[in-house]
Amino acid sequence: DTAVSQTPKYLVTQMGNDKSIKCEQNLGHDTMYWYKQDSKKFLKIMFSYNNKELIINETVPNRFSPKSPDKAHLNLHINSLELGDSAVYFCASSHSNRGNYGYTFGSGTRLTVV
Amino acid sequence: QKEVEQNSGPLSVPEGAIASLNCTYSDRVSQSFFWYRQYSGKSPELIMSIYSNGDKEDGRFTAQLNKASQYVSLLIRDSQPSDSATYLCAVSGGSNYKLTFGKGTLLTVNP
Repeated sequence: DTAVSQTPKYLVTQMGNDKSIKCEQNLGHDTMYWYKQDSKKFLKIMFSYNNKELIINETVPNRFSPKSPDKAHLNLHINSLELGDSAVYFCASSHSNRGNYGYTFGSGTRLTVV
Repeated sequence: QKEVEQNSGPLSVPEGAIASLNCTYSDRVSQSFFWYRQYSGKSPELIMSIYSNGDKEDGRFTAQLNKASQYVSLLIRDSQPSDSATYLCAVSGGSNYKLTFGKGTLLTVNP
């Protein structure tokens, strides 16, 4: 019944490694997002896809690469992880054809780079 | 650059009091305004949305919007300890439905 699900929930990895986070939504939404929340709780948008098309690409290092195989899935791959990448990454979704009624967030992935 | 500013916290109120949370935004074309609640270690949860000037009430929560002043607020009446959380103001406008968040205000309701 989970509306927006992310895996894994926790990820601890060493600097320099490559890792992926997966997100899936079963709400029938057509737009999905990745947000990063730092230690001070500031939520900042990274990417957004609408029907598999990239529509928002904020100033993010090119080590971060999103991929949307279909409108229900949005993955985030991170190359050459750095200490500063440690944060909570949230996936979210919304429906563009129903006006802007806000997002539904996933439970988050806590990434710790050591 | 679009910005959303929230009153600096933390905010502490006694149980039963009214908690007032404030937010200003810089982009005049913003159309949609939201309040999210985030408990520690959890994801943001949408609690209120408002799209036109005035007040919108939902139970103990009232959102207020003044587009001329670029100001949106959230009032929580009869505050309960379970309301203790970080409250995030979010604003969107334009065709890409991007939500810009404020840095949040930590509210503590003391029994």
